[in-house]
This record gives sequence, C-alpha cells and structure tokens, in this order.
Amino acid sequence: KAGVTQTPRYLIKTRGQQVTLSCSPISGHRSVSWYQQTPGQGLQFLFEYFSETQRNKGNFPGRFSGRQFSNSRSEMNVSTLELGDSALYLCASSWGTAMNTEAFFGQGTRLTVV
Amino acid sequence: GIQVEQSPPDLILQEGANSTLRCNFSDSVNNLQWFHQNPWGQLINLFYIPSGTKQNGRLSATTVATERYSLLYISSSQTTDSGVYFCAVSANSGYSTLTFGKGTMLLVSP
Repeated sequence: KAGVTQTPRYLIKTRGQQVTLSCSPISGHRSVSWYQQTPGQGLQFLFEYFSETQRNKGNFPGRFSGRQFSNSRSEMNVSTLELGDSALYLCASSWGTAMNTEAFFGQGTRLTVV
Repeated sequence: GIQVEQSPPDLILQEGANSTLRCNFSDSVNNLQWFHQNPWGQLINLFYIPSGTKQNGRLSATTVATERYSLLYISSSQTTDSGVYFCAVSANSGYSTLTFGKGTMLLVSP
C-alpha cells in the first residue's frame, strides 16, 4: 500500500513568486492536513481538508490557501512568497479526521525562498 | 488551544542505555501520536496511543489520559534511534486537529 506522496521534494523560488505543492494521500483516506515546519516555530498547522471541504485553518495569512479534489489529492498554494516562507511543508493523511484517527505523513516538500 | 510540552528538550545517551521521554498536555484528548523525524524530515509513526500501553520491539509507550501525560520508553538505544521525537495530540473538542510539541532531540553515541 503506497504511503503519502508529496511533490516536489525540493523547490527554490524567488520572493514575490507563487508556488503550488501537491499531496496524494494513502488510498482510501479522506482527510489531508498540511503543516509548516521551521526551526524557530516548530510544526505549525496550516489547514485540514476532509471530503473536499476545509475543516479547519491555522493562523496563517491569506497568502496560504489550499484545496482538495474529489480523489482526495490536495494542493496548497502560497502566493507572493516571502523569505520567511522557507520551510519544510508536511502533508498528513488519515482515514477519518485528524482529530480522532491516526495520521500518516509524507516525506515533505522543502521550499527555499531566495 | 491545547498546550503540549515535551521533556527533556535534549538528551544524549550512550548506545545501550535506556531513556524515557515525556509529553504533557493541557486538555483531554481524542488522539495522541508519537513520531520520530528522520534526517530527511519525514515523520515516522511510532505509536497511536490516546490511552493505555503499547509496545513495539525496543519501544513502548504509555498514555495516562486522566492525568494528561504520555511516556515513550526507548530501551537498549542504538545510534539509529538518534533524531527528534515528537508528541502530537488532538483535543476532544470542536474541530481540533493535531498539535505538536517542540520535540525531544535524542543523540545516541556509539
């Protein structure tokens, strides 16, 4: 059974550009959550999608957005990139919501903004 | 929101030693997971343990939900156990999601 797949694995972007990250959950899982990990702030929750609906959103500016498709794959978009957006972005999938079922993480996308 | 505190923040052990990592949380939880982050950044599932005790090889975990803490035990540590261990919890209320502690950085020396 394939795990959670995130693409791309590495990305270098320039300030002001936008970026789209992709996450394919484990087959049959309906929830996808996104997290940002930085050395200073640790692992911070971005948003969770369940059956194509945003269920919860963390405390991030509107430049961060996401969506989930009917096959449960999810994308997150960051517009007008800032240097501080450089981070490891992790995606997690779970069969039910992350609130009460086990979450499994992908390998992450390491974004560098220059 | 729920608060998660992990201790110790750093731990240095010699190979073969045992260790206990602790996770305290501030509210009742529906979900509690322990992860090990590998050098490439991936979070590896160790335990899904909102309550009770589980064992997997040299690792075991106990969650005492009524007292709001969980413990991760590593016995006969190996150099490959090095890395960051995270505890993550989800509160038993509303539309909560996983909240992570700051982690315990473990270094096992040969």
